[in-house]
Amino acid sequence: GAGVSQTPSNKVTEKGKYVELRCDPISGHTALYWYRQSLGQGPEFLIYFQGTGAADDSGLPNDRFFAVRPEGSVSTLKIQRTERGDSAVYLCASSSGTLYTGELFFGEGSRLTVL
Amino acid sequence: AQKVTQAQTEISVVEKEDVTLDCVYETRDTTYYLFWYKQPPSGELVFLIRRNSFDEQNEISGRYSWNFQKSTSSFNFTITASQVVDSAVYFCALSRGSQGNLIFGKGTKLSVKP
Repeated sequence: GAGVSQTPSNKVTEKGKYVELRCDPISGHTALYWYRQSLGQGPEFLIYFQGTGAADDSGLPNDRFFAVRPEGSVSTLKIQRTERGDSAVYLCASSSGTLYTGELFFGEGSRLTVL
Repeated sequence: AQKVTQAQTEISVVEKEDVTLDCVYETRDTTYYLFWYKQPPSGELVFLIRRNSFDEQNEISGRYSWNFQKSTSSFNFTITASQVVDSAVYFCALSRGSQGNLIFGKGTKLSVKP
């Protein structure tokens, strides 16, 4: 499809394990965002890429969280030593411009459950 | 600090009723943007509107309308003649200044019954 694709759609893991979540943005979109949405809450910003570089990673909660976008397209969010509090839906979004010039297109999210 | 408050957690209406979703924000920035997004059960957030802080003109798009009032720091969203397909969670969001990322409210779950 032509939209933002996220895999896996569901991931169940055990506390302490390592997890990778993948985002495939819309082709040609230079801006890519990761958000986290806990149950009953609004999305919470994690990190923003413009091209290959992280333009703003101020939302990453701690050093267990890391994201890359090596070729300026696909991005991977990596979580080390997962904790139960990491359970949430991780949303990826992409845009051809910025938040203020272009529309942000969201994927359906990756639901992470840490047991 | 920036903050978005959506006081209505859940609203239930009958089809064809009008419904208004409230959004109140706090910011010290003079330039900022406000947004509304719709999140249907599939989970994908859908952009509805973006408004900058210098444009207080109300906007209408089909059955949707938005009322932005800086004096009360509110950006309310009205759906006229609601339909079952309008059932979703609606989020209001505020930018951090003119370049920063979005701060979302907790959302309002709208249920439209036939």
